[in-house]
Formats: sequence, C-alpha cells, structure tokens
Amino acid sequence: DAGITQSPRHKVTETGTPVTLRCHQTENHRYMYWYRQDPGHGLRLIHYSYGVKDTDKGEVSDGYSVSRSKTEDFLLTLESATSSQTSVYFCAISEQTNTEAFFGQGTRLTVV
Amino acid sequence: GQNIDQPTEMTATEGAIVQINCTYQTSGFNGLFWYQQHAGEAPTFLSYNVLDGLEEKGRFSSFLSRSKGYSYLLLKELQMKDSASYLCAVTGSGNTGKLIFGQGTTLQVKP
Repeated sequence: DAGITQSPRHKVTETGTPVTLRCHQTENHRYMYWYRQDPGHGLRLIHYSYGVKDTDKGEVSDGYSVSRSKTEDFLLTLESATSSQTSVYFCAISEQTNTEAFFGQGTRLTVV
Repeated sequence: GQNIDQPTEMTATEGAIVQINCTYQTSGFNGLFWYQQHAGEAPTFLSYNVLDGLEEKGRFSSFLSRSKGYSYLLLKELQMKDSASYLCAVTGSGNTGKLIFGQGTTLQVKP
C-alpha cells in the first residue's frame, strides 16, 4: 500500500470555526490532491499541488485554502467552516500526471 | 463544460459478466482511469487507458474510444466482493494529473 495517511479520520466542528486537515505521504510523490466526496456529486477536486509551495485551485475551491511547505505534507484548511462543507475528504498522491493516484483513507468532517 | 456520465446503479449475478459504461465530454484528454471503491473505503486503482482499444487485467478489462468519448469497464466471473462503486475519471487538459470524476456506478452482485 502507498504510504499516505490522513488526519484526523473523523471530526465534528462548529460552524464558523477554522479546521485543518492533514495529508502525509512517505512516497516522495510530486503531485498531491484534495478531493471531497458527496452523494450525487462523486469526487470533486478542491485544490492540488505540483510541488513544494506550488498549488492551484480545483473546481470547488471556495472556502478552502492549502499549503505545502514540504514534499510530504499537504494541508487543507477550511477558513470558517459551514454546514455545506460537511463531507468526506480524500487526499491523493501521484508520481506523474499520467500514473495512478493513490488515495488516503479519508476524513469524515461534520460541521454542526 | 466538462461532463462524465455513468449509470448510477447496476445489479448482476454472481459468476456473470457486467459492463459499466462511461461517456465523457472534457476540454482536453490525457487518459481515462477506472477506480473501485468499497463502501466507507478509499478508491483503489483498476485501470488506465490513454490509447484506443482494450486493456485486460485478470477478470477486469477496460475499453476506450477517444473519437466517441466512450469507455467501459468489463467485469467477468463476478464475485460477491465485486459489490462496490466503480468510478470513471478523466485527466483533462494541462499536465497536472487532475482527475475529473463521474458520479460513480454502484454495482450490487447477487447470489
């Protein structure tokens, strides 16, 4: 199994609070991605990174920010959590753009 | 716009063959992936097609027609453990590896 871990695995937070999710990899892969998965929508890209300090927006980036200060860690921050951000969040890594992506086990976030 | 369509649900019988279709309309194309996702788990890689034709890997095969914007995943000798969601994803324009996913097809295998 690819070395990719997400933390926390589950979190309940209140509306308006900031939340940070962490993705850690031990594969030294260049590309890292954050997706959210919701019923009826499938997986949607939030942000991605193509190197240290190199990030870009995905299709549902509003209300989220990311940082990648070192190869192994990719952080996703919800600046002020809203109920619409209740979802399952998956981190993924890939070595190249045309190779398979490996997914973390997911973080189930509930905003109350 | 970008759109990937798959059937929402399918049911098949253990031991049978099932074909899951995927059609796509994206701005650019750099390959099509199929992933399997069991309930409550992470997606796992099944196949990758970038050229037209059939790729076979054990009980699973995947086909691509770029001119038709069409792919299918073929599962043979179905087993109960094949009950899962199957996700079709396309890497669009740009060299970023970003995946655009369809909503997924939930396959139920019955005895």
